[in-house]
Amino acid sequence: GAVVSQHPSWVICKSGTSVKIECRSLDFQATTMFWYRQFPKQSLMLMATSNEGSKATYEQGVEKDKFLINHASLTLSTLTVTSAHPEDSSFYICSARAGQNQPQHFGDGTRLSIL
Amino acid sequence: AQRVTQPEKLLSVFKGAPVELKCNYSYSGSPELFWYVQYSRQRLQLLLRHISRESIKGFTADLNKGETSFHLKKPFAQEEDSAMYYCALGNTGFQKLVFGTGTRLLVSP
Repeated sequence: GAVVSQHPSWVICKSGTSVKIECRSLDFQATTMFWYRQFPKQSLMLMATSNEGSKATYEQGVEKDKFLINHASLTLSTLTVTSAHPEDSSFYICSARAGQNQPQHFGDGTRLSIL
Repeated sequence: AQRVTQPEKLLSVFKGAPVELKCNYSYSGSPELFWYVQYSRQRLQLLLRHISRESIKGFTADLNKGETSFHLKKPFAQEEDSAMYYCALGNTGFQKLVFGTGTRLLVSP
């Protein structure tokens, strides 16, 4: 149980393109989803916390207009990297939890490469 | 502010040897500590959490508030334990997790 699916797993696109990444909880309802970014050989850095039906809470230094997050249902959250540039290339990972005090379950991650 | 420190980037041991992956934290509130593991080409998985006080795959971790540590231990390492291990600190209510930089455990035959 507690499976989180992330799609796509890998995307390559040209600079200036907007890219959408989906995160789905397959067998549970996720009241909260989280989006992380991981640079090579570094730890996961939380970008934002997304609660179903409300605006995402962004961490300091993360541009909310650059990284649009939508959590329209209890099983789906999306991260859209708008007008992506090479410096946005990274590994993006989502996680979801069923409720407060519940552990986070992680997706496989999405490797984004901007040319 | 929450902070997690994993001082070792790489820990290399032989099969059957004891393993201890260090984790220290800094947090003014009541901490919730976790260990996550990432095997090669797999997603991050929860290994254990301190409130459960359980042993998973032979691994245990005890929260030491005096030393602000949550070291992961296993008495006899196996080759299949080779993976990346992340210590994570949750704030009150688990509103978010802060991860350490991770330790790669390599168990050689």
